[in-house]
Amino acid sequence: EDQVTQSPEALRLQEGESSSLNCSYTVSGLRGLFWYRQDPGKGPEFLFTLYSAGEEKEKERLKATLTKKESFLHITAPKPEDSATYLCAVQAAGNTPLVFGKGTRLSVIA
Amino acid sequence: DTEVTQTPKHLVMGMTNKKSLKCEQHMGHRAMYWYKQKAKKPPELMFVYSYEKLSINESVPSRFSPECPNSSLLNLHLHALQPEDSALYLCASSRNTGGLNSPLHFGNGTRLTVT
Repeated sequence: EDQVTQSPEALRLQEGESSSLNCSYTVSGLRGLFWYRQDPGKGPEFLFTLYSAGEEKEKERLKATLTKKESFLHITAPKPEDSATYLCAVQAAGNTPLVFGKGTRLSVIA
Repeated sequence: DTEVTQTPKHLVMGMTNKKSLKCEQHMGHRAMYWYKQKAKKPPELMFVYSYEKLSINESVPSRFSPECPNSSLLNLHLHALQPEDSALYLCASSRNTGGLNSPLHFGNGTRLTVT
């Protein structure tokens, strides 16, 4: 069975304190790994897609990386506006729906 | 602003009411989805439409009835709901299902409260 585990469940950072969020996955034939950001009361906002081990994507203070077993979302010098829940999801081979992790709730304190 | 528009933003309904949630996208996507999300939980897939045909129903109770009138519109008809159905209902679309470079784009959801 395809599984996605995100850690930590919650993370509290001071403004400027860099850190990483983890997404470990077990899937039969990875077609893609997706990162989303979700603000309270809003829908998830697409951030990145990663397809193969070694791939990296960047957007402002965020950088996503992928290995054969896990993905990291690195946040460099975070600001309070980066506070949100970050969701990881994987797409397995075949026409299967996305499998979501439970998310990491990030709080960045000024 | 999201490119997937959902209406209404909030809905309060009694257990005997009939209501509908609406979703619209104009990105030319051919796959559309309904998800249900409870507080502090990830989205749970309910239905998938591919090229206007229902392709996945994740064993959703019949009190939820989806409809895809055309490639840009998706409705969710609600009837005889239970209080435990209260949640954020999210619509999403993608270029196709299962394809590469076809991430989901979500709307901001309808916050449903069943009294």
